[in-house]
Amino acid sequence: DAGVIQSPRHEVTEMGQEVTLRCKPISGHNSLFWYRQTMMRGLELLIYFNNNVPIDDSGMPEDRFSAKMPNASFSTLKIQPSEPRDSAVYFCASNPGLAGELFFGEGSRLTVL
Amino acid sequence: TQLLEQSPQFLSIQEGENLTVYCNSSSVFSSLQWYRQEPGEGPVLLVTVVTGGEVKKLKRLTFQFGDARKDSSLHITAAQPGDTGLYLCAGARAGGTSYGKLTFGQGTILTVHP
Repeated sequence: DAGVIQSPRHEVTEMGQEVTLRCKPISGHNSLFWYRQTMMRGLELLIYFNNNVPIDDSGMPEDRFSAKMPNASFSTLKIQPSEPRDSAVYFCASNPGLAGELFFGEGSRLTVL
Repeated sequence: TQLLEQSPQFLSIQEGENLTVYCNSSSVFSSLQWYRQEPGEGPVLLVTVVTGGEVKKLKRLTFQFGDARKDSSLHITAAQPGDTGLYLCAGARAGGTSYGKLTFGQGTILTVHP
């Protein structure tokens, strides 16, 4: 079985550009989570969905960030406009319900110049 | 607000030594998970502890959940270079919109030298 699939693995962009990160959760998993990881702040939960519905977006830093889950097999995290401080590794994770083990993707490393 | 404090942040030891990583909080968690992350990959679950005072063993790794379910520890016996990685604890709250929401500690970077 394929795990959580994220794309792109690496993205380098310039300040002000739009960035879209993509995630395909494990088939059958009802919950999807977006995390951001930096050395300074560790792993931070940005937003999570259950059955494609956003449950908690209190971790989204500001209006420049938005996330969607149009169907059970796809989610996007968009940053517009991007800033250098957004540079981080962004992880998508899924699990079968709301609680329990999180299955993480390999992450998308974003560098904003 | 950092709800889960991990210590130490960095640990560099020789192969064969023992070590303990701590995860502390003032909050009560319904369960606590430990993950291990290698460079370029996402975290992978090692164990979940649910009951206060629970002890779980995974080969040379021993995990303990505090009686009050506010803290946890990970002990590694006779560490090996393959144990090198970032160890993360994560606490889950129960109830309301926080249900299932995991809060991660800052992590402990462990390096085991041959």
